[in-house]
Amino acid sequence: EIVMTQSPATLSVSPGESATLSCRASQSISSYLAWYQQKPGQAPRLLIYGESTRATGIPARFSGSGSGTEFTLTISSVQSEDFAVYYCQQYKHWPPITFGQGTRLEIK
Amino acid sequence: EVQLVESGGGLVKPGGSLRLSCAASGFTFSTYGMSWVRQAPGKGLEWVSTISSNDGKTYHADSVKGRFTISRDNSKNTLYLQMKSLRAEDTAVYYCAKDSPWTLSGLCFSWGPGTLVTVSS
Repeated sequence: EIVMTQSPATLSVSPGESATLSCRASQSISSYLAWYQQKPGQAPRLLIYGESTRATGIPARFSGSGSGTEFTLTISSVQSEDFAVYYCQQYKHWPPITFGQGTRLEIK
Repeated sequence: EVQLVESGGGLVKPGGSLRLSCAASGFTFSTYGMSWVRQAPGKGLEWVSTISSNDGKTYHADSVKGRFTISRDNSKNTLYLQMKSLRAEDTAVYYCAKDSPWTLSGLCFSWGPGTLVTVSS
């Protein structure tokens, strides 16, 4: 089973600043990495897949990078609606599909 | 517009059974793989099960293997999760999610709002 590790657990940024969230896989997953956003009381929403492809309707301020075992989600100029929990997920070697434990993006 | 609506959650005693349903609309259900993902209160996301669109292949997490069964009725545009021998640790919000057309990718492109399952005596 591939273990996904996200850092930091909590990231505090001010609106308008950029945010960088990290995700590490326990073994190479090539570019089979996705990012999801979850707001309180809501279902997750797919943001990025294939490491850097934005899902339908996702603003361009969200970008993904990396390959192999190290990945990054960058949110340029964080907006108020971006404060949420973010999960990475690998879909290269499954089952099982595995998620990271999440990074909470909070207002500084 | 893609819509996924789960139902069937509720309070059940340990050892009990429950069947969850996910009604799908806004897309050609029969051509998409589907999954169940759960989230225990205050915790992260855990993949549960996935089913292919047409050949009936199913996959389950080790934590539910032998107790949960994913299935689908393409004539009713509905996904199911039959859960047996429920345990306290199965308490979670259960989401259904839509995968890719024809070939399973393991991605969750769209999600329903979820249904809460509580296992408690």
